[in-house]
Amino acid sequence: LAKTTQPISMDSYEGQEVNITCSHNNIATNDYITWYQQFPSQGPRFIIQGYKTKVTNEVASLFIPADRKSSTLSLPRVSLSDTAVYYCLVGDMNSGYSTLTFGKGTMLLVSP
Amino acid sequence: DAGITQSPRYKITETGRQVTLMCHQTWSHSYMFWYRQDLGHGLRLIYYSAAADITDKGEVPDGYVVSRSKTENFPLTLESATRSQTSVYFCASSEGSSGGYEQYFGPGTRLTVT
Repeated sequence: LAKTTQPISMDSYEGQEVNITCSHNNIATNDYITWYQQFPSQGPRFIIQGYKTKVTNEVASLFIPADRKSSTLSLPRVSLSDTAVYYCLVGDMNSGYSTLTFGKGTMLLVSP
Repeated sequence: DAGITQSPRYKITETGRQVTLMCHQTWSHSYMFWYRQDLGHGLRLIYYSAAADITDKGEVPDGYVVSRSKTENFPLTLESATRSQTSVYFCASSEGSSGGYEQYFGPGTRLTVT
């Protein structure tokens, strides 16, 4: 499981676009990048996963540059309900899960 | 579609007692996982299972026992609970086919050991 670095916290306002970047310099060839969202007192929720370039779903977009050493989760027009902790995981399930850890994530606070 | 459920949602037990946390999923996912979440440590993997009767250790397995006799159930047992096992426990499941770590989590069990 590749080591990842994310900002500890970010602040935004309603209606803005938020970009959370995750650095993963030692990403391996077969690794995927996966993002989760966690609200207080709830389990993490899978948001998006990608391998290269750009992935978009109804919730977010994931931008991955060609060297794959970082990735950016983009949340369009955030609302107060997007206040949560966001986790970036990098790895390949075929390598197993014994070292899987979520880290501390990025605490996003959205204000009115 | 019930998805993944955990029971009980809250549990208070005494040091030294055995306690079992239940996890049930209705998706027929191959993989199931148990995590604990503590302030300052984030989510840490306790055990996981790739299929019925196949289990493996995660980062923090000591003091815990798991079994998986059926695909849909993955109970976690604390054989002799200690105060350090006070935590929020999350169960998760995954098809295991996406390549990355796509998992679906239950609502959690808040366990207090007194």
